[in-house]
Amino acid sequence: GDSVTQMEGPVTLSEEAFLTINCTYTATGYPSLFWYVQYPGEGLQLLLKATKADDKGSNKGFEATYRKETTSFHLEKGSVQVSDSAVYFCALTRNTGTASKLTFGTGTRLQVTL
Amino acid sequence: DAGVIQSPRHEVTEMGQEVTLRCKPISGHNSLFWYRQTMMRGLELLIYFNNNVPIDDSGMPEDRFSAKMPNASFSTLKIQPSEPRDSAVYFCASSSGQPGGYEQYFGPGTRLTVT
Repeated sequence: GDSVTQMEGPVTLSEEAFLTINCTYTATGYPSLFWYVQYPGEGLQLLLKATKADDKGSNKGFEATYRKETTSFHLEKGSVQVSDSAVYFCALTRNTGTASKLTFGTGTRLQVTL
Repeated sequence: DAGVIQSPRHEVTEMGQEVTLRCKPISGHNSLFWYRQTMMRGLELLIYFNNNVPIDDSGMPEDRFSAKMPNASFSTLKIQPSEPRDSAVYFCASSSGQPGGYEQYFGPGTRLTVT
């Protein structure tokens, strides 16, 4: 079945540091890939997406590129802020012609300090 | 855009009681999903609907759980009777289901505590 593997957290960085959170996936065909962010006490917010190979999703300074050859979708940000502290989830869904379930990774907690 | 609306935001109940969680999806979205989040098991899909029809309920833990979507703008998740192990945050999400738009938008969740 489909699966998503994320790097273990927590990740602790100083403000303005470079961020990478690794994500690899296993899926049949060509899924769509997503990064979601969850702030304490809140629901999941869509951060960015990519729907086909070599697509780059970007939002709020975060980027991730759909790499089919390595089945990866690593999240990066050049300079993190304290306000980026949250849990980040990598996810995929199959492109079946209709909406279907999201398969999530276990989440990576990011803590940014001054 | 009001986003996905869930109610109540918090629910505390005693074991054996019936619990009903409610969800209003984003207007125009035709797919609706119910997830459960716990520290031990992470995010689990319980059930999802396309055009008000249940498509996959294999994640529903047992017969104590039931979900309905009587129309395009409303869904309920019911637990009867509730048990302490049902304590979790329950999220509803909706999607337009259009090609290129399979992303799901989540509500704020309902935190359920069963004592």
